[in-house]
Amino acid sequence: DAKTTQPPSMDCAEGRAANLPCNHSTISGNEYVYWYRQIHSQGPQYIIHGLKNNETNEMASLIITEDRKSSTLILPHATLRDTAVYYCIVRAGGTSYGKLTFGQGTILTVHP
Amino acid sequence: DTGVSQDPRHKITKRGQNVTFRCDPISEHNRLYWYRQTLGQGPEFLTYFQNEAQLEKSRLLSDRFSAERPKGSFSTLEIQRTEQGDSAMYLCASSPGRGSSYNEQFFGPGTRLTVL
Repeated sequence: DAKTTQPPSMDCAEGRAANLPCNHSTISGNEYVYWYRQIHSQGPQYIIHGLKNNETNEMASLIITEDRKSSTLILPHATLRDTAVYYCIVRAGGTSYGKLTFGQGTILTVHP
Repeated sequence: DTGVSQDPRHKITKRGQNVTFRCDPISEHNRLYWYRQTLGQGPEFLTYFQNEAQLEKSRLLSDRFSAERPKGSFSTLEIQRTEQGDSAMYLCASSPGRGSSYNEQFFGPGTRLTVL
């Protein structure tokens, strides 16, 4: 699975959009970009995933660049409960069982 | 459906003792994973089951570690002769293996192990 690079920490004001970047320059054609987050003392939680098109769900939006070498997770209106570690993970899609290879992630702190 | 459950949530043991953790996946999820997470690090993959078959084990899973999923439902992770370096959060996850969220992994709350 391709390696990802994320900033170690970011801050965001409550109510503002949080934009979390991820670089995955060695991504290959069949690899998806997944985002998970982990709130303190809980297990990781799936947020969103995509292959090459931008994706949106009730939690977030995922913007993948045309060359697929980087992506941005957008939380449109961050709340204090969004304070967590955010992990960007790249792995093969299709029917592969897909073990997740976590990096150290980005610690997002949302402040009032 | 109450999600993935793990038992116990916390375990304190003395070095050299054996411990066993249990994971109950979401019903009808045929894929089950174990991960280990140490302080300040992301979770690390340990092993994977599809139904009752253990299909992959990480090199992190030494001979002292064994995992089972006897009937393709719940799973147990046993650590024999615990060492202080085994202190970590042990996370279990399951995924459906089919349907629109077939590869999405749902994590339990974890079991925090402290080896004294």
